[in-house]
Amino acid sequence: GQQVMQIPQYQHVQEGEDFTTYCNSSTTLSNIQWYKQRPGGHPVFLIQLVKSGEVKKQKRLTFQFGEAKKNSSLHITATQTTDVGTYFCAGQASGTYKYIFGTGTRLKVLA
Amino acid sequence: DSGVTQTPKHLITATGQRVTLRCSPRSGDLSVYWYQQSLDQGLQFLIQYYNGEERAKGNILERFSAQQFPDLHSELNLSSLELGDSALYFCASSAADRGFYGYTFGSGTRLTVV
Repeated sequence: GQQVMQIPQYQHVQEGEDFTTYCNSSTTLSNIQWYKQRPGGHPVFLIQLVKSGEVKKQKRLTFQFGEAKKNSSLHITATQTTDVGTYFCAGQASGTYKYIFGTGTRLKVLA
Repeated sequence: DSGVTQTPKHLITATGQRVTLRCSPRSGDLSVYWYQQSLDQGLQFLIQYYNGEERAKGNILERFSAQQFPDLHSELNLSSLELGDSALYFCASSAADRGFYGYTFGSGTRLTVV
């Protein structure tokens, strides 16, 4: 079945450093979504990428969808303590209804 | 407040028991999804309903069942509970049947089986 893996599993950074998490799917995706879950909270939708090679930015966050539509990345520039949480990607395989969530990357930002 | 309401927020029950988790989707959303998140784990998709009909099934145990009612609220029934069923159960909703514009998650029900 479809699997979505994320690396790294954990990342500790100093405030002001950059951070990147990578998402890899075993199958080609029709689109991919990214979510952020704060500690003790629920996942919150950040963005969706649909087109091959698509790049979207939200302030300090840059999201990319791979050319083959099997991988994606989230890059945070100059992390802040408010960026703490777990970042999940969720991929929808072509022809299916459900999204498979990645394993998540837990980010800790040290002040 | 995301607009998705889950009750109860916390539930403690004994092994072998049965519980029902309730979810009211965001106004206007027709799809409801259930996810299980164990401690420090990812989100495991259980089941999806769209406008009252089952749309997709994930790794849902036979001891678990769900339904979506005409008013679009959904219930997840967990029976013959085991210690390993302790987890955070999230409900999410979306407007379309494919969740294309993203899911809106509720705050979850934390189930503890003792």
